[in-house]
Amino acid sequence: AQSVTQLDSHVSVSEGTPVLLRCNYSSSYSPSLFWYVQHPNKGLQLLLKYTSAATLVKGINGFEAEFKKSETSFHLTKPSAHMSDAAEYFCVVNLNAGNNRKLIWGLGTSLAVNP
Amino acid sequence: NAGVTQTPKFQVLKTGQSMTLQCAQDMNHNSMYWYRQDPGMGLRLIYYSASEGTTDKGEVPNGYNVSRLNKREFSLRLESAAPSQTSVYFCASWGADRRGDYGYTFGSGTRLTVV
Repeated sequence: AQSVTQLDSHVSVSEGTPVLLRCNYSSSYSPSLFWYVQHPNKGLQLLLKYTSAATLVKGINGFEAEFKKSETSFHLTKPSAHMSDAAEYFCVVNLNAGNNRKLIWGLGTSLAVNP
Repeated sequence: NAGVTQTPKFQVLKTGQSMTLQCAQDMNHNSMYWYRQDPGMGLRLIYYSASEGTTDKGEVPNGYNVSRLNKREFSLRLESAAPSQTSVYFCASWGADRRGDYGYTFGSGTRLTVV
């Protein structure tokens, strides 16, 4: 079965410290992987995506993620957290089966950034 | 610069009432989607349309209908609203965004309360 697991439902960091949001997936296919961010009462914005090119992907706002096939992981990192990074983050797998794209969403990780 | 536009942004319905959520995209995308977002459950796919003239059920289609009116517009209808349909609804489309990257573009959401 295909699945996405975000290993932490809530992460709290201090401003200026590194951020690590963990995501593991299970898929029989070669997936595309995405991270989306949702700020309070806002819509969803694409942070970055992996689509079988470079395994280290850089996104907006200083975030990056590394695709590790052997570990079936796609963890999101940022060297130094900013207060504006406080939001909900979703890891998403796109199985892209034929013409019917099938997204599988993680349940989200809430990131709190403390001053 | 609209991207994906959803209306209304907020709505309160009484149990048994009907309503239609409107969604339009101006990016010439073929595929469009309706999701609902509930606390602790991530995003769940209600219906999707891979191309104009086609619609398919997603994970949670019961109680909903959709219409792909043309390539731009994909509406979601609640025929007889129930309190269990209280949620935040997101419309999305798949294709090249304004930077030329392929991915999902989301609307800003509709917050629906059924009392």
